[in-house]
Amino acid sequence: EAEVAQSPRYKITEKSQAVAFWCDPISGHATLYWYRQILGQGPELLVQFQDESVVDDSQLPKDRFSAERLKGVDSTLKIQPAELGDSAMYLCASSSLAGVGTDTQYFGPGTRLTVL
Amino acid sequence: QKEVEQNSGPLSVPEGAIASLNCTYSDRGSQSFFWYRQYSGKSPELIMSIYSNGDKEDGRFTAQLNKASQYVSLLIRDSQPSDSATYLCAVNVAGANNLFFGTGTRLTVIP
Repeated sequence: EAEVAQSPRYKITEKSQAVAFWCDPISGHATLYWYRQILGQGPELLVQFQDESVVDDSQLPKDRFSAERLKGVDSTLKIQPAELGDSAMYLCASSSLAGVGTDTQYFGPGTRLTVL
Repeated sequence: QKEVEQNSGPLSVPEGAIASLNCTYSDRGSQSFFWYRQYSGKSPELIMSIYSNGDKEDGRFTAQLNKASQYVSLLIRDSQPSDSATYLCAVNVAGANNLFFGTGTRLTVIP
């Protein structure tokens, strides 16, 4: 069964350091999403890609976060510098298309980030 | 007002009972509705999707959608201890092209 891959699974860093997360969506899925989930809350969208283009990054803190999906396949999310409040689970999801009936999102295992 | 609201729980039911989870949403134009299960420390796992008013059954799970009242619910029949998890309701808000999640309801099934 096809799955969304993410790495690393866990990351511990000190504040002010740079961190990067990688995601490989299900093969053939054009739409890729990065979410942040703080403990006790639901996932919140950071950025959405359609192929290599950013569709929605309105909730991405652009002063410290960046995301890219250069070839329209895998994607990298970067934080520089990390802050204590960035400690959370970072989830990647993909869907085949965006639209009613085709917009089911499948999640990867996530990256648990701890900032000390 | 939040886009998607769920009772945070916790909800406890005895093994074999029916667990009922509820979710309301604010945007009348929403068209796609999802229930995800999330075990502690794990990522969300899709359980059900529903797009039309009425009931949709899949094994022990039944999703119910009422667009006029703007709520969607999930029933779990014959609850098992392995169903103990947080259940997330997600809604595709019209025009936003992405999902808004509720905060989740924590379910505990007591053996």
